[in-house]
Amino acid sequence: AQSVAQPEDQVNVAEGNPLTVKCTYSVSGNPYLFWYVQYPNRGLQFLLKYITGDNLVKGSYGFEAEFNKSQTSFHLKKPSALVSDSALYFCAVTPPNAGNMLTFGGGTRLMVKP
Amino acid sequence: DGGITQSPKYLFRKEGQNVTLSCEQNLNHDAMYWYRQDPGQGLRLIYYSQIVNDFQKGDIAEGYSVSREKKESFPLTVTSAQKNPTAFYLCASTPRGYSNQPQHFGDGTRLSIL
Repeated sequence: AQSVAQPEDQVNVAEGNPLTVKCTYSVSGNPYLFWYVQYPNRGLQFLLKYITGDNLVKGSYGFEAEFNKSQTSFHLKKPSALVSDSALYFCAVTPPNAGNMLTFGGGTRLMVKP
Repeated sequence: DGGITQSPKYLFRKEGQNVTLSCEQNLNHDAMYWYRQDPGQGLRLIYYSQIVNDFQKGDIAEGYSVSREKKESFPLTVTSAQKNPTAFYLCASTPRGYSNQPQHFGDGTRLSIL
């Protein structure tokens, strides 16, 4: 069975500083990996995905993520955080040919302070 | 604009009562999903449907039921057998069979007990 771990419940960063939200996974084969963001009382919004190819994936709102197969990680990054980036972030994984059955991590709350 | 509409936004259930959460999509997606979100636990899959008139149990189906009579609609009923129904419920959809496509989410229904 696959699993996703987001080891930090909350990440605090000052506006303008770089941010990293960590994600590690356990799944057989070559997984598809996703990051989503959730604002209060809203659904999840897709940020970016890794399917194959370049290990550095660029997504919406200046976010990027680095896929590391040997460390089974897919950390979300942004060079310069904005206060408006404050939200709940979810990492998700699915094996190929699994009919898009996602397994989600527990979420990490990002707090960006002015 | 295409999207997923969930209604109502807030719902209250009395003891012994069944309640139905609505999910409608105009994205022409075949697959639809229901998730439950509790604080600190990420999203857990309740039911999913890959095609009209067919659906499968997810990880936490007990106390819930669904139907899929139309491609656009995937209502979820929270029955009186679900003893702890207070949660945020999210509906999602994707084109069927495409694991590399992100799921699209509605803005959720928050269910509380009276």
